[in-house]
Amino acid sequence: EVQLLESGGGLVQPGGSLRLSCAASGFSFSSYAMSWVRQAPGEGLEWVSAVSGTGGSTFYTDSVKGRFTISRDNSKNTLYLQMNSLRAEDTAVYYCATYTGSSGFDYWGQGTLVTVSS
Amino acid sequence: EIVMTQSPATLSVSPGERATLSCRASQSVSNKLAWYQQKPGQAPRLLIYGASTRSTGIPARFSGSGSGTEFTLTISSLQSEDFAVYYCQQYNSWPLTFGGGTKVEIK
Repeated sequence: EVQLLESGGGLVQPGGSLRLSCAASGFSFSSYAMSWVRQAPGEGLEWVSAVSGTGGSTFYTDSVKGRFTISRDNSKNTLYLQMNSLRAEDTAVYYCATYTGSSGFDYWGQGTLVTVSS
Repeated sequence: EIVMTQSPATLSVSPGERATLSCRASQSVSNKLAWYQQKPGQAPRLLIYGASTRSTGIPARFSGSGSGTEFTLTISSLQSEDFAVYYCQQYNSWPLTFGGGTKVEIK
């Protein structure tokens, strides 16, 4: 059974940093691209970032370029999102998800809440 | 960036009735279109990919159609567990983009 478990969310002040983790199990982690998708309170879904199976290719939405860094450790079956220079508009539930170019986001974690507020 | 537009924003349907949800892309996404269902407090779930292929375990009452810029999700006979928010998403080009969602509520 595929399981994705996010952690690392919490309350952070504007301008601060946070690192999210996503522990994966039940599938061949290194064979899948992975992604982060976020959802602000009461709002829709927004894709944030993606990384290839090897970690060699990364993609970002414009609003987080230069502030967020996606990475993965295939030896630990873990995906990361380093978030710097956080803004109030980054407040959201952050989901990790498997991604394939043939079927979109197949599997999702339950999400971790990031709140940026003073 | 490809903009995905869903309509209507809210759809009121009685149990057992048919629901038709629309999704339009600002430029062609070929058939690289997925539909997701999200219930309150839960993560989204993949329903349809490739515009018309049901994901594993998705009931046959869910069907998708379309290609290029116009897509439709049809729920043939709404069950109580189908009342939720539905999102379309294109994965034809970066950045990946979602529609704003359609809330299917009980009439």
